[in-house]
Amino acid sequence: SQELEQSPQSLIVQEGKNLTINCTSSKTLYGLYWYKQKYGEGLIFLMMLQKGGEEKSHEKITAKLDEKKQQSSLHITASQPSHAGIYLCGAAQETSGSRLTFGEGTQLTVNP
Amino acid sequence: DVKVTQSSRYLVKRTGEKVFLECVQDMDHENMFWYRQDPGLGLRLIYFSYDVKMKEKGDIPEGYSVSREKKERFSLILESASTNQTSMYLCASSVGGGWETQYFGPGTRLLVL
Repeated sequence: SQELEQSPQSLIVQEGKNLTINCTSSKTLYGLYWYKQKYGEGLIFLMMLQKGGEEKSHEKITAKLDEKKQQSSLHITASQPSHAGIYLCGAAQETSGSRLTFGEGTQLTVNP
Repeated sequence: DVKVTQSSRYLVKRTGEKVFLECVQDMDHENMFWYRQDPGLGLRLIYFSYDVKMKEKGDIPEGYSVSREKKERFSLILESASTNQTSMYLCASSVGGGWETQYFGPGTRLLVL
């Protein structure tokens, strides 16, 4: 079974709208990473969350970690076409730390 | 800025050929990783390395081998390429010692005919 579930799998929004992407782990989270990928390219690191309740922002993107629910959410405010791409969450689920497990990604389309 | 480079963006090979994918990082990172990315399957770890000349199998090592002779360079080798190895290959590196951010290269899209 999938250890890291992302929802939704795809999302189409109108420019200016807010949106949320969720990432839920079936195992204990020791760290949660958000990446963005443009089609056919590598992953760009956005932010990392480590403690329950932690919240970080990067430009119009905010991510939160709910340790009890073993879940993280990524929220984009006033979306722009430049936000389009695939968003992936990666989680450290082992005490050894360096290996990450990744979700399948959420494909975001922002229509002008 | 961390920079991870991969030797090719696109590669076309024939079944049975030996294929080398090279990855270089310039930040003196201890850890390096090779993943493949396929639609519906996400990122899957092939091999990783915590140190020079050290390697560990990931989740899908079959049909692949790796080499890490120098700290900055991690090579993925397909001994005898097969069509089911057509994929996007991504290399990453991280500092080492705990749970650290992995930084990714631009990817190599490999087509095996």
